[in-house]
Amino acid sequence: EPEVTQTPSHQVTQMGQEVILRCVPISNHLYFYWYRQILGQKVEFLVSFYNNEISEKSEIFDDQFSVERPDGSNFTLKIRSTKLEDSAMYFCASSEAPGGTGELFFGEGSRLTVL
Amino acid sequence: QQQVKQSPQSLIVQKGGISIINCAYENTAFDYFPWYQQFPGKGPALLIAIRPDVSEKKEGRFTISFNKSAKQFSLHIMDSQPGDSATYFCAAGTYYGGSQGNLIFGKGTKLSVKP
Repeated sequence: EPEVTQTPSHQVTQMGQEVILRCVPISNHLYFYWYRQILGQKVEFLVSFYNNEISEKSEIFDDQFSVERPDGSNFTLKIRSTKLEDSAMYFCASSEAPGGTGELFFGEGSRLTVL
Repeated sequence: QQQVKQSPQSLIVQKGGISIINCAYENTAFDYFPWYQQFPGKGPALLIAIRPDVSEKKEGRFTISFNKSAKQFSLHIMDSQPGDSATYFCAAGTYYGGSQGNLIFGKGTKLSVKP
């Protein structure tokens, strides 16, 4: 069964450092997303990406965050200068183009710990 | 307006019993209501979803009931099993228009099914 894969599974970083989280979406999917989940809390939308540009972003997705699809398979989330409150599980997701089922397929997440 | 309120926060059910989780939303533009199941250390996985043109959808032991006028929807798990023990999230979004990935999640319900 096709799946969304994320790396690294866990990253520990110092406050102020840059972090890049990587995702390989399902191959025939065209919409890509990042969500985050602070420990024990709800899953929150960060950003959606389609046709090589951001479709929507939430208030959380400020200037410290950026996304990129550097090649045909990877989708990355960069946090330029990490803060303590960025500590969370970051989930990548992908879905088919409109007209498909619309189902979001989530990866297993990348846990980011900022010290 | 963008909130989805979910209750209860936690639920303990005996094996074979019925688990019921409720959600309410405010934004009448929402037209897609999925439920996600999350096991510890894993990403959310779509369990079942409903659109507002029907009042109920059943898949196996899982049923969504939808009340458009009350802006409420609920998940019923019949014959609950220990393997159903997980955190369940309701969500809401717009299915069409290219932004079906911008889901607003509830805070989650931790379900424990006792043998």
